[in-house]
Amino acid sequence: QKEVEQDPGPLSVPEGAIVSLNCTYSNSAFQYFMWYRQYSRKGPELLMYTYSSGNKEDGRFTAQVDKSSKYISLFIRDSQPSDSATYLCAMTWGKLQFGAGTQVVVTP
Amino acid sequence: KAGVTQTPRYLIKTRGQQVTLSCSPISGHRSVSWYQQTPGQGLQFLFEYFSETQRNKGNFPGRFSGRQFSNSRSEMNVSTLELGDSALYLCASSYNLQGTRADTQYFGPGTRLTVL
Repeated sequence: QKEVEQDPGPLSVPEGAIVSLNCTYSNSAFQYFMWYRQYSRKGPELLMYTYSSGNKEDGRFTAQVDKSSKYISLFIRDSQPSDSATYLCAMTWGKLQFGAGTQVVVTP
Repeated sequence: KAGVTQTPRYLIKTRGQQVTLSCSPISGHRSVSWYQQTPGQGLQFLFEYFSETQRNKGNFPGRFSGRQFSNSRSEMNVSTLELGDSALYLCASSYNLQGTRADTQYFGPGTRLTVL
């Protein structure tokens, strides 16, 4: 079993809809949680990071961490075609672990 | 501040050859990590260097090696290339990698290696 599980998708949504992404993990030692966005043939870019449980909002993006359930989420409001990318969750306690990434397609 | 740079961006090699990839981290970053990304396996950790020392290593064969120089620049070498080594090789840098906020890694654009 992988330490970080993420549904690879693809997840297809119409423009303007809310995109909901999530990851589950098994190692309770993880302390920092991150979301990366990766466009095709590019390196991942950091979108958001959170520490411990709670919510964090940045523009159209909201990251949630529920350590008791070992579950993290990323929500993208008012999705745009430019949000079409692969989204990877990542978490660390000294060793960074990535999820497999979820491919998101936002259709006009 | 300039981002992480990787050279070359694209590379085509044949089986049995060896290849060296280069990574220049963000100025001030001391940790450099290497990853292999393939459609089937996702992002897999190769190794991490900090202050010229390999600090962490993933589950890859000894054909994969790396090093870091005093200016934090890093190189990765793959010897005796196999078809399965075809992948996007990503380099990421951070200030440190000890489970703190400073762990946030910033990725380069990657080197796409094709082995024929």
